[in-house]
Amino acid sequence: AQKVTQAQTEISVVEKEDVTLDCVYETRDTTYYLFWYKQPPSGELVFLIRRNSFDEQNEISGRYSWNFQKSTSSFNFTITASQVVDSAVYFCALRVVIGYKLSFGAGTTVTVRA
Amino acid sequence: DVKVTQSSRYLVKRTGEKVFLECVQDMDHENMFWYRQDPGLGLRLIYFSYDVKMKEKGDIPEGYSVSREKKERFSLILESASTNQTSMYLCASATGDILYEQYFGPGTRLTVT
Repeated sequence: AQKVTQAQTEISVVEKEDVTLDCVYETRDTTYYLFWYKQPPSGELVFLIRRNSFDEQNEISGRYSWNFQKSTSSFNFTITASQVVDSAVYFCALRVVIGYKLSFGAGTTVTVRA
Repeated sequence: DVKVTQSSRYLVKRTGEKVFLECVQDMDHENMFWYRQDPGLGLRLIYFSYDVKMKEKGDIPEGYSVSREKKERFSLILESASTNQTSMYLCASATGDILYEQYFGPGTRLTVT
């Protein structure tokens, strides 16, 4: 069975601070995919990134960056110089090759104060 | 852009009522999903469908059923709504590609009184 743990329930920062969201996953499969989604107050989940288990390169997209470490089964997400528009719930998710299911973490609520 | 729409943003129903939640996607995706979202629990899969008239149970199918008569439409049915089904319901769709990401609708916040 797959499991995703987001230990941080809520994070509150002041604008321009950096914020890192932790994601730890469990799976016995050697091939799998990890995802991050953002859910703004409007409610619709927005896809941010997908990473497969064979690609441990870190990725940067604007103010967002992701650190994937297989050795610690972690796929952490950092927002640099946070902005009020980054306020949302962020979900980490895992999918293995067999089956259609995405296993989601409980989510981390990020609040960025002006 | 992929568009997933859900029939209602907010819905209030009484205990025992039969409730239909509708989801429509416009990208010809093979796969469609229904989740419920509760605080502290993240998203939990209720049912998914990988083709018309095909469905599989997710993690929490009890008390729910689904219908997929057309490729673009996936309905979630609460046969007899109960207060513990008060939740946010999210529909998603995805291609059959192994690398797919799921595209989500805006959600329906259902309150059962």
